[in-house]
Amino acid sequence: EVQLVESGGGLVKPGGSLRLSCAVSGFTFSSFSMNWVRQAPGKGLEWVSSISASSTYRYYADSLKGRFTVSRDNANNSLHLQMNSLRAEDTAVYYCARDPLYSDFWGQGTLVIVSS
Amino acid sequence: NFMLTQPHSVSESPGKTVIISCTRSSGSIASNYVQWYQQRPGSAPTAVIYEDNQRPSGVPDRFSGSIDSSSNSASLTISGLQTEDEADYYCQSYNSGIHVVFGGGTKLTVL
Repeated sequence: EVQLVESGGGLVKPGGSLRLSCAVSGFTFSSFSMNWVRQAPGKGLEWVSSISASSTYRYYADSLKGRFTVSRDNANNSLHLQMNSLRAEDTAVYYCARDPLYSDFWGQGTLVIVSS
Repeated sequence: NFMLTQPHSVSESPGKTVIISCTRSSGSIASNYVQWYQQRPGSAPTAVIYEDNQRPSGVPDRFSGSIDSSSNSASLTISGLQTEDEADYYCQSYNSGIHVVFGGGTKLTVL
């Protein structure tokens, strides 16, 4: 059974940092590109970042302006998102998903709240 | 980057057919595959259509997808509407360099 489980969300002050993780099981993690997608409260889906299977290619939404860094650990089947200089508008549920082009499996999300 | 524009909401009665559109702002809709995701409140999205018109395993054939180059848009058609189809629907595509784009989402009400 494919499982993606996000962790690391929580309450953080503006300007702070947070590192999200996504633990993956049930498929050969090292063979797939991965995706982070977020959803602000009451809003639509917003693509955040993608990383290729071997970490060669990393892509980010223009709106992030270099504040986020995606990485992966294929030995431990985990995906990460380092988020720095957090702003109130980064408040959202963050989902990891398999394959940015067609995301056939998603985690349940982890909530990040940026507030003083 | 291009944008994908969807109607904010649609509504229809059970048993009827509804079509949700997704218009690409620039570049050809046929350039990159379009996916459609269903999201019920409090749940993660799940795919109902991939690669323009393919249904994932387990998705009923009441769901179908298409693209129309003349209007530069994609469409999700749901026939024989059921109350369980009530959800938010998002179209998604990407450009070269794998920048993923989501539409703004359409709230489907089955009344």
